[in-house]
Amino acid sequence: GAGVSQSPSNKVTEKGKDVELRCDPISGHTALYWYRQSLGQGLEFLIYFQGNSAPDKSGLPSDRFSAERTGGSVSTLTIQRTQQEDSAVYLCASSWALAGGLNTDTQYFGPGTRLTVL
Amino acid sequence: KQEVTQIPAALSVPEGENLVLNCSFTDSAIYNLQWFRQDPGKGLTSLLLIQSSQREQTSGRLNASLDKSSGRSTLYIAASQPGDSATYLCAVRGNQGGKLIFGQGTELSVKP
Repeated sequence: GAGVSQSPSNKVTEKGKDVELRCDPISGHTALYWYRQSLGQGLEFLIYFQGNSAPDKSGLPSDRFSAERTGGSVSTLTIQRTQQEDSAVYLCASSWALAGGLNTDTQYFGPGTRLTVL
Repeated sequence: KQEVTQIPAALSVPEGENLVLNCSFTDSAIYNLQWFRQDPGKGLTSLLLIQSSQREQTSGRLNASLDKSSGRSTLYIAASQPGDSATYLCAVRGNQGGKLIFGQGTELSVKP
């Protein structure tokens, strides 16, 4: 069906506010990934979901960042008390995963959410 | 810690030229390597995925090779077109989990 979708496409917020970013993966994809792309750091991994659980959260930069996934589908990335250094494009990707949780397949990316923290 | 490097950072060529983009990685224990294309203001489009046991993959005018032991991959684009202008990113997946480690990308401009 449709590709990975993300909302909003753009978000401008004030420093200190909380934001929620949403990702709808491709239907049937059990693996979901969040990445962040910024000018200084390039594209960085944040967190990976297999179903509703997150076996790898190693890329979350601080405890202000959290993510959840419900029903094995939609995922939300929440940033609390946003800082200017959080400004970036947040990309979501999804892929098939094998029964053992291993993923050998292509990751398909959404268009991203551009977050600007003033 | 895996590090991925792409050379050159930018490349400008006239239409019709064949070109090669380079990607190197420091840890040869990879599960697969993926090449992506990113147009300005857009997400990433997957071009080719090479499993660690493979040497190359082809799709149309694109050919990607992988030499795992030396930590190198190349993306060959034949008969380049202005529509090929974009940033090309290489990413490797390790043997633990599914996360990708990306290079900084090569910005390609194909002039008509």
